[in-house]
Amino acid sequence: DTGVSQNPRHKITKRGQNVTFRCDPISEHNRLYWYRQTLGQGPEFLTYFQNEAQLEKSRLLSDRFSAERPKGSFSTLEIQRTEQGDSAMYLCASSSRADGAYEQYFGPGTRLTVT
Amino acid sequence: GQNIDQPTEMTATEGAIVQINCTYQTSGFNGLFWYQQHAGEAPTFLSYNVLDGLEEKGRFSSFLSRSKGYSYLLLKELQMKDSASYLCAVDSGAGSYQLTFGKGTKLSVIP
Repeated sequence: DTGVSQNPRHKITKRGQNVTFRCDPISEHNRLYWYRQTLGQGPEFLTYFQNEAQLEKSRLLSDRFSAERPKGSFSTLEIQRTEQGDSAMYLCASSSRADGAYEQYFGPGTRLTVT
Repeated sequence: GQNIDQPTEMTATEGAIVQINCTYQTSGFNGLFWYQQHAGEAPTFLSYNVLDGLEEKGRFSSFLSRSKGYSYLLLKELQMKDSASYLCAVDSGAGSYQLTFGKGTKLSVIP
C-alpha cells in the first residue's frame, strides 16, 4: 500500500473557473476527510465521509464547494467559481478504527493557486 | 468554540532536548494528536494521548493533562531533520473524529 494519494499536486486556475481534486485513500480505510491549509496555519476541517456517506460539513464549506465519495473508495472535491481566497493546500486524510487506533493519514495535498 | 494554542516558533540546538507546549479549550475531548509537517509536505502522525500521562515513542514523548487542557511534545537528541512544524490537534468528540489543529510550532534545529 502506497498511502493516501492526491491528484493533481498543483493546480493554477483563473478566478471564476471550476476545479476538481481527487483523493485515493488507503484501501481499507472507511473514513475520509478533507482539510484546507493556508500558509502559517494548521489544517482546517472541511468535510468527512464514512464509506460513501458524507456525514459532516464545516461551516467553512460554502455552497461553491462540493465533495463526493461515490463508491466509498476515492473522493473528489470540486470548487466552483473559484475566488482568490480559495488559494490554499487541500489535504485529504483517511483513517480506520480496525486496529484500535484512528490516527489520520494525510496525502501530499493539492496546492491550488487562483490568479 | 475551539481554541488551540502553541508557540509560533522555537529554536534548539542539535543534540539537545526541546519541549513544545499546547493548550486547548474545546467543547469536548476525545484525544489529542501531535503531527510533524516538513515544509511543503503532508502532516505525519507522531503521537496520540487520550488519558493523562506520558506516552513515549523513541526520541519523541507526549504528555497530556486533561484537567489543565495541556499537552506537550518532548523531542530528545535533536537532529537537523527534526526541523519542521509540529501541529497539536484535538478530537473534540463530535462523532466524526475530525481534528481541530493549532497553528503549528515551527522548530528550527541549529548546529
